[in-house]
Amino acid sequence: DAEITQSPRHKITETGRQVTLACHQTWNHNNMFWYRQDLGHGLRLIHYSYGVQDTNKGEVSDGYSVSRSNTEDLPLTLESAASSQTSVYFCASSDVPGTNSPLHFGNGTRLTVT
Amino acid sequence: RKEVEQDPGPFNVPEGATVAFNCTYSNSASQSFFWYRQDCRKEPKLLMSVYSSGNEDGRFTAQLNRASQYISLLIRDSKLSDSATYLCVVFSSGSARQLTFGSGTQLTVLP
Repeated sequence: DAEITQSPRHKITETGRQVTLACHQTWNHNNMFWYRQDLGHGLRLIHYSYGVQDTNKGEVSDGYSVSRSNTEDLPLTLESAASSQTSVYFCASSDVPGTNSPLHFGNGTRLTVT
Repeated sequence: RKEVEQDPGPFNVPEGATVAFNCTYSNSASQSFFWYRQDCRKEPKLLMSVYSSGNEDGRFTAQLNRASQYISLLIRDSKLSDSATYLCVVFSSGSARQLTFGSGTQLTVLP
């Protein structure tokens, strides 16, 4: 069965360190997304990609970067981790956004920046 | 004002009750609307799309009111397994941000 997997599930890091969160999907979807979820804010879009070599900034992109070198993977990098980036991160992929084709989410990465 | 607003709840209802949630959106050009369900500490999953004429899926009914810019979700005959957070999601093709999520409404169905 097709799936979308994130790793690691949990990560603790120190302020200032570079951290990369992995996201891998086997749906063969062109569209991939990174969200963060914080209490009271819901899911907020960090970056998204419509295909290989395409990346776009979302609502809360400062301090984050992504690259899309193939269809399956969209790693999220925190260039210099800050305590404000402590959050739960969800990666998602979809067929055509805004249609009945659902967003398929990974099971999340819980990141703590100390 | 947030683009998508929901009453955070929590809504605590007994089994068998009917419960309704509303969600308002600010962008009048929004095109597509969805309800997602999120169980505690898990990923969101699509519950149902919302159509202009209203639509039903078993015990769940979704409605859209474009004039007043809100969508609703009605759950009849609540089950314990309905306990979750329900996320309102709005898609606006003109926005670079694509899908916008509400903060969610927490529902607990009590035995």
